[in-house]
Amino acid sequence: AQKITQTQPGMFVQEKEAVTLDCTYDTSDPSYGLFWYKQPSSGEMIFLIYQGSYDQQNATEGRYSLNFQKARKSANLVISASQLGDSAMYFCAMSVFNNAGNMLTFGGGTRLMVKP
Amino acid sequence: NAGVTQTPKFQVLKTGQSMTLQCAQDMNHNSMYWYRQDPGMGLRLIYYSASEGTTDKGEVPNGYNVSRLNKREFSLRLESAAPSQTSVYFCASNLLVRVSGANVLTFGAGSRLTVL
Repeated sequence: AQKITQTQPGMFVQEKEAVTLDCTYDTSDPSYGLFWYKQPSSGEMIFLIYQGSYDQQNATEGRYSLNFQKARKSANLVISASQLGDSAMYFCAMSVFNNAGNMLTFGGGTRLMVKP
Repeated sequence: NAGVTQTPKFQVLKTGQSMTLQCAQDMNHNSMYWYRQDPGMGLRLIYYSASEGTTDKGEVPNGYNVSRLNKREFSLRLESAAPSQTSVYFCASNLLVRVSGANVLTFGAGSRLTVL
């Protein structure tokens, strides 16, 4: 079974500063993917970034980067130059590919609040 | 491009009543999922359908049934609603291909269900 742990229930960051949201995972499967989703107060789930377990380089998407440390089983999200619109819940998730589906297992989330 | 459409967006039920949440996707995805999100928690998988004609239980299937009506539609039914089923329900879909974990889930906007 897969498990995702996000140990920071809530975080504050000053506008324009960088922030790291922590995520650790547990799986015995060598082939997996790691995802980050953003959930603003309006409730929708917005995909941010993806990292495959065999990817050699850390994923980046604009101001988002994923600090993937495979040996430590961590997949932290780094947001550079925070903006007020980044205030939201952030969820780390993992999927293990199999023929039965590509289900995501989610962590409990981190609420990020950006201060002006 | 509608993506994943869920109905209804809001519903209030009395204990013991039944209802069906509808979900449709127009992206030609073969896999569909139902998640629930409780306050302060991440999303938990209720049921999924890896392809048309198949359905399987997820992490929290008790009290629910599903139907994969065709490739586009995947419904979730509560036969006898209980207060513990008060939650926000998300439908999601992706294209299951033989690539490790790379298939991003696209989510619907969510359905808020309250059981009194």
